[in-house]
Amino acid sequence: AQTVTQSQPEMSVQEAETVTLSCTYDTSESDYYLFWYKQPPSRQMILVIRQEAYKQQNATENRFSVNFQKAAKSFSLKISDSQLGDAAMYFCAKATYKYIFGTGTRLKVLA
Amino acid sequence: DGGITQSPKYLFRKEGQNVTLSCEQNLNHDAMYWYRQDPGQGLRLIYYSQIVNDFQKGDIAEGYSVSREKKESFPLTVTSAQKNPTAFYLCASSIGSRYGTNVLTFGAGSRLTVL
Repeated sequence: AQTVTQSQPEMSVQEAETVTLSCTYDTSESDYYLFWYKQPPSRQMILVIRQEAYKQQNATENRFSVNFQKAAKSFSLKISDSQLGDAAMYFCAKATYKYIFGTGTRLKVLA
Repeated sequence: DGGITQSPKYLFRKEGQNVTLSCEQNLNHDAMYWYRQDPGQGLRLIYYSQIVNDFQKGDIAEGYSVSREKKESFPLTVTSAQKNPTAFYLCASSIGSRYGTNVLTFGAGSRLTVL
């Protein structure tokens, strides 16, 4: 069965610092999409960043960037200049014909 | 503003009762989905629909039913056959029917508690 693993249930970061959230996945496909979704305390999930597996260049969205290592099946999220509003659950997901979500990492931002 | 509206936000059910969770979108999205979220388990797919009057079972469809009579609406009924229905339910939609490659837009969720 295909899986997405987030090995860090919880992480903390000081405001203005950088934090990296880890995600690994299992797949036999060569073409797929990877996503990071954020679930703030309001619980409405929003897209943070998306990566297409056939693109070698790492995706970037403002303070959010990914380190996509296709051979290692790794897709980590780096948050730079962390802000209090970044505190949330972060879910990694892999998609081909269906979405598979990881179990999430709770990020705390310390003032 | 376009988006997905889920109602009610909180719902309490007695054992043996069916309840229906509403999901409405005004994004003109073709595909709609229902996910269940439990602590420590991520999101699990219950049902999805790619077009009106058609839907498919997801990974945990037992004890649930859906309908898709209108493009905008995808209600989920939690039946008495669902043995452990207490959970947070998320509705989502995507612009295309090519499930898995489209970005999901989520509603704010509904919390169901069985008394």
